[in-house]
Amino acid sequence: SQQGEEDPQALSIQEGENATMNCSYKTSINNLQWYRQNSGRGLVHLILIRSNEREKHSGRLRVTLDTSKKSSSLLITASRAADTASYFCATGKAAGNKLTFGGGTRVLVKP
Amino acid sequence: NAGVTQTPKFRVLKTGQSMTLLCAQDMNHEYMYWYRQDPGMGLRLIHYSVGEGTTAKGEVPDGYNVSRLKKQNFLLGLESAAPSQTSVYFCASSRETGGPKFFGPGTRLTVL
Repeated sequence: SQQGEEDPQALSIQEGENATMNCSYKTSINNLQWYRQNSGRGLVHLILIRSNEREKHSGRLRVTLDTSKKSSSLLITASRAADTASYFCATGKAAGNKLTFGGGTRVLVKP
Repeated sequence: NAGVTQTPKFRVLKTGQSMTLLCAQDMNHEYMYWYRQDPGMGLRLIHYSVGEGTTAKGEVPDGYNVSRLKKQNFLLGLESAAPSQTSVYFCASSRETGGPKFFGPGTRLTVL
């Protein structure tokens, strides 16, 4: 069963706009990670946020974590055509080293 | 550094055939993983290893076996392939438990 569930499943925006996607999970976590996957390629790690952190930035990426609501959001600001990809959240549990991935959000950035 | 590499990139098998997927990493990572990705299902963990000589079952281990004889290599075996094993297989490695994973480019397997 999937721990993380992304919303929306698909998102289409114009270049320059912001893209926001959400991830909800069910059980307690140690950290939450976001990955990007371009078509036909492997996943690339974007950002990791620990359970005691509320917000984290990396370049044009902003991630928030609300452990009380068991949810996270990924914001991509000033999107570019190169941001077109699928984005996955993955949760790491307090014990063990397994990551559980959600089904992903497909983002299309139109030039 | 090549990072994580996978061999082969594509493969077509007939039901009942066997094959081995090879994963190699040059980052000296202790932890290695095999995932499968199916449409709309995200990635599901098949098996993983916390160090040379160790293996453990993940979420969907049935029909697969693994070996980690060398720290840099993690092999995934299908003894008798079934159409349900048609998928894209990804290998990953990480330096620390729960840390960022580095993924290979994937192997697209079709079982007829």
